[in-house]
Amino acid sequence: EVQLVESGGGLVQPGGSLRLSCAASGFTFNSYWMHWVRQAPGKGLVWVSRMNTDGSSTSYADSVKGRFTISRDNAKSTLYLQMNSLGVEDTAVYYCVRPLHGRYTFDFWGQGTTVTVSS
Amino acid sequence: QSPLTQPASMSGSPGRSITISCTGTSSDIGSYDYVSWYQQHPGKAPKLMIYDVSDRPSGVSNRFSGSKSGNTASLTISGLQAEDEADYYCTSYTTSSTYVFGTGTTVTVL
Repeated sequence: EVQLVESGGGLVQPGGSLRLSCAASGFTFNSYWMHWVRQAPGKGLVWVSRMNTDGSSTSYADSVKGRFTISRDNAKSTLYLQMNSLGVEDTAVYYCVRPLHGRYTFDFWGQGTTVTVSS
Repeated sequence: QSPLTQPASMSGSPGRSITISCTGTSSDIGSYDYVSWYQQHPGKAPKLMIYDVSDRPSGVSNRFSGSKSGNTASLTISGLQAEDEADYYCTSYTTSSTYVFGTGTTVTVL
């Protein structure tokens, strides 16, 4: 059974940092590009970042470029999102997402981890 | 990257059909056939309903269908059922090698 389990969310002050983790199981993690997508309370989905299979290629939304860093540890089947210089606008549920293999679409979603940026 | 434009809400009676539009630009929907649609019930993670404009993943009802013309994609839900009441989002790959989601549409079954 495919599982994506996010962790690391919580309450952080503006300007602070958090690192999210996503533990994957039930599939060959190192064969899939992986993504982060977020959703602010009561708002729509926003794509955040993606990483290719071996970590050599990344891409970011303009809103997080320079502040967020995606990474992965294939030996641990884990995806990460390091978030720095957090602002209130980063408050959201963060989803770890696996694409349909070889496709430009998001097939399997974790349950999400909540990040709240507030003083 | 601006979000793709969707109607904020749509409604229909059980058994009827509705079509949700998703309007982008020549930098996203107009450039690729990589449009997907997701269904999200309150408090739940999104579920993939349509990918590559019109393909359905295994297990998704054939009451859901997708299409595209120019910079606009559409999702049609036929034979509306109470369980179809949810938020729906489109997304597209872009020429910047990123993804952009739609603004979301809340579907109400009357």
